[in-house]
Amino acid sequence: NAGVTQTPKFRILKIGQSMTLQCTQDMNHNYMYWYRQDPGMGLKLIYYSVGAGITDKGEVPNGYNVSRSTTEDFPLRLELAAPSQTSVYFCASSYSPIGTVGNTIYFGEGSWLTVV
Amino acid sequence: AQSVTQPDIHITVSEGASLELRCNYSYGATPYLFWYVQSPGQGLQLLLKYFSGDTLVQGIKGFEAEFKRSQSSFNLRKPSVHWSDAAEYFCAVGPQAAGNKLTFGGGTRVLVKP
Repeated sequence: NAGVTQTPKFRILKIGQSMTLQCTQDMNHNYMYWYRQDPGMGLKLIYYSVGAGITDKGEVPNGYNVSRSTTEDFPLRLELAAPSQTSVYFCASSYSPIGTVGNTIYFGEGSWLTVV
Repeated sequence: AQSVTQPDIHITVSEGASLELRCNYSYGATPYLFWYVQSPGQGLQLLLKYFSGDTLVQGIKGFEAEFKRSQSSFNLRKPSVHWSDAAEYFCAVGPQAAGNKLTFGGGTRVLVKP
């Protein structure tokens, strides 16, 4: 039972470098999300997708890009890494929208990113 | 705008003692409420959720939470804590209509003393 899988788990980037955080889910979920978690701040939504080919901005999208070419995959790209992007990133997925009765959101194990 | 406040950043509790984690929310409509747990180095796991009905909700791992509309609170409780309950706990609020915004509190880190 893979669920939501994120790679890499840890990464150190230099300022200005770019990288892609990979996220894949095997539950055939339509909805996928990227969150970042800063200490004491809870999780904030970066981008989300309601299905293949459809993405939208969350609360903190600046400095990030996403794509959703398949139902399974939802990669997050950092084009020009900045120290402010040092954070823990979580990918999540759900079958239905968040407010749907009985819906559950499944989270990946997180990706720890440090920008130096 | 919706918001979630977890007033306690850290709580230390002895193994076997009871635990209560506070959560207060601000939301313009009837909310959908969640508690998640994050063990060290792990992702978030859903403990329980409240949508409607009985205001006392039972979850996994022996946790329960009580929704109090008059106090805008959704506190999490466990009668007897185990060492494996040491983790960070997040309260979250979402819409009771189709939407994609889940607002999280800042988290409460629980330390368990032997």
